[in-house]
Amino acid sequence: EDQVTQSPEALRLQEGESSSLNCSYTVSGLRGLFWYRQDPGKGPEFLFTLYSAGEEKEKERLKATLTKKESFLHITAPKPEDSATYLCALMDSSYKLIFGSGTRLLVRP
Amino acid sequence: NAGVTQTPKFRVLKTGQSMTLLCAQDMNHEYMYWYRQDPGMGLRLIHYSVGEGTTAKGEVPDGYNVSRLKKQNFLLGLESAAPSQTSVYFCASRGLGFYEQYFGPGTRLTVT
Repeated sequence: EDQVTQSPEALRLQEGESSSLNCSYTVSGLRGLFWYRQDPGKGPEFLFTLYSAGEEKEKERLKATLTKKESFLHITAPKPEDSATYLCALMDSSYKLIFGSGTRLLVRP
Repeated sequence: NAGVTQTPKFRVLKTGQSMTLLCAQDMNHEYMYWYRQDPGMGLRLIHYSVGEGTTAKGEVPDGYNVSRLKKQNFLLGLESAAPSQTSVYFCASRGLGFYEQYFGPGTRLTVT
């Protein structure tokens, strides 16, 4: 069964304190792995898609990486405006998304 | 270009009442999806559509019906609301040949 697990559930950082969020997955055939950002009371906002192990993508202070078993979202020198819930999703064999339960990130000034 | 819009934003229903949630997209996307989001459970797919006039069941379809009479609209109906359907509902869409989904702002539904 295709499955996505995110850790930690919640993370508190000081402004400037770099860290990583983890998304581990099991899938019969990886078609793609997605990262989204969700602010309170809003819909998820697309960040990245990764299609194969070894692939990396960057956007401002965020960098997503992918291995055969997990993906990491690295946050470098975060700012308070990076506070949000980050969702990871796996694309299954029928091109539907399977979401993890998310990591709530709080960056304190 | 508004992207994906949802109406209403909030709704309170009594058990047994019915309602329809409307999703509209102006990106000419082929695929549209309805999800529900509950605390600690992530987003779960209710129904989806791969094109005008088509619908299919997702992971949690029971108690819901959908229709896609026009390409830009995807309706989610609750025929007889139950407290277990209290949730935040999100609509999403994606274009043909692309895999990232774009989400609407959500509808917060409470069933008492």
